[in-house]
Parts: sequence; structure tokens; C-alpha cells
Amino acid sequence: GQNIDQPTEMTATEGAIVQINCTYQTSGFNGLFWYQQHAGEAPTFLSYNVLDGLEEKGRFSSFLSRSKGYSYLLLKELQMKDSASYLCAVTDSNYQLIWGAGTKLIIKP
Amino acid sequence: NAGVTQTPKFQVLKTGQSMTLQCAQDMNHEYMSWYRQDPGMGLRLIHYSVGAGITDQGEVPNGYNVSRSTTEDFPLRLLSAAPSQTSVYFCASSYSNSGVNTGELFFGEGSRLTVL
Repeated sequence: GQNIDQPTEMTATEGAIVQINCTYQTSGFNGLFWYQQHAGEAPTFLSYNVLDGLEEKGRFSSFLSRSKGYSYLLLKELQMKDSASYLCAVTDSNYQLIWGAGTKLIIKP
Repeated sequence: NAGVTQTPKFQVLKTGQSMTLQCAQDMNHEYMSWYRQDPGMGLRLIHYSVGAGITDQGEVPNGYNVSRSTTEDFPLRLLSAAPSQTSVYFCASSYSNSGVNTGELFFGEGSRLTVL
């Protein structure tokens, strides 16, 4: 079966760095996405990885290792507005997205 | 700059009633999809479309119908609502490359449905 695992909840301090991990087992792989979802709102696109390595976009970075079925999202200089759920999703061999349940990130002052 | 527009935002139904969730996008995206989001679970694909006149089933299609008569519109119909269909529903679209979803989805604001 297809499976995406990520921690249910994480807590971090304003100004700090946090790493949210995602492991996946899917039938085929055509890319991994990270989305941000604030409570009561729609998900919004954060990053896309299809090749191994690190993609940096401002305070957010995303890493992929295809051989390990592993990705992480790194958030630096945390701000209160980063409190949200972070969704990991993998595009399978049929180009359909398989979604993790999301990691709720709580930022404390 | 509308993007993806979903209506209604909130709806309460009684078991057995039918209704249609509307979705429209103005980005000329070929790919459109409907998801449901339930607590503790990932987004689950209900139905999707790779272009006007083409629809296909996702992971959880039972109890739902869709049609795609135009590029812009992709309504979701609940045929006979059941309490198990209580959920938040999201419509999403993306640019499609050769008929496949490129993955960067643009979501509507969501429709919160309660079935009593």
C-alpha cells in the first residue's frame, strides 16, 4: 500500500529552527510537495522536490532523499505566523498526489 | 484575481438530501479535483478531471458524482447525503502537462458540510 508518515504535532520557539520529517512508501515517485495550511483555511503550496538534495526558498528549505524515501521541511527564524499544519504529499506513478495527515506546528513566544 | 472559487462555504444537510458543491477557476487550468479532509487523515481524492468532458474516480468516489462541461467549472454532487460525508471539501486545480497533474495545486477556500 501507499503510505506517508509525518509527526502529528511539534512545538518550537519563536526565532528558532524546526525540522519536520516525512517518510513515504508509494508506487512510483514523480515528486514530493510541501503545503502549509493555517487552521480553517486552504492548503497553499510551499515547495517541490523531484531530485535529491536541498531546495531553499527564503526561510523555508526542503530536502529529499529518494533512496531513503525521506524528506524534511526546515523552517528558520520561526515567526508566530508559521503556526500551521504542514502537509507532505507525494506524486505517485499515476501522477496522483498521496497526502500525509499533516504536522501541526505550534510556535511559542 | 479570483483563482479557485467554491460555494457554499458552509452547509447543513439531513440524511438523504442531495446537493451540489460548486467550483470554478479562472486560471485556464486543465486539471481539477475534489478532496475531502477529515481530522487525523490526509486529504483524500474524490474525483478528478484532466480536461473538459473527462472525469475519473479518485480514492473515495462512492456517493459523489462530478461533471466537467467547461474548463472553468467542476461541480461535485452528493446524491443522497450520509453522516459519513460530514467533512471539509476542497476543490483544487493545477496546470496540466500532457494530461497529467503537475502537482502544484491551487485550492478553493473549502466547503464545510455537516450531515445530520
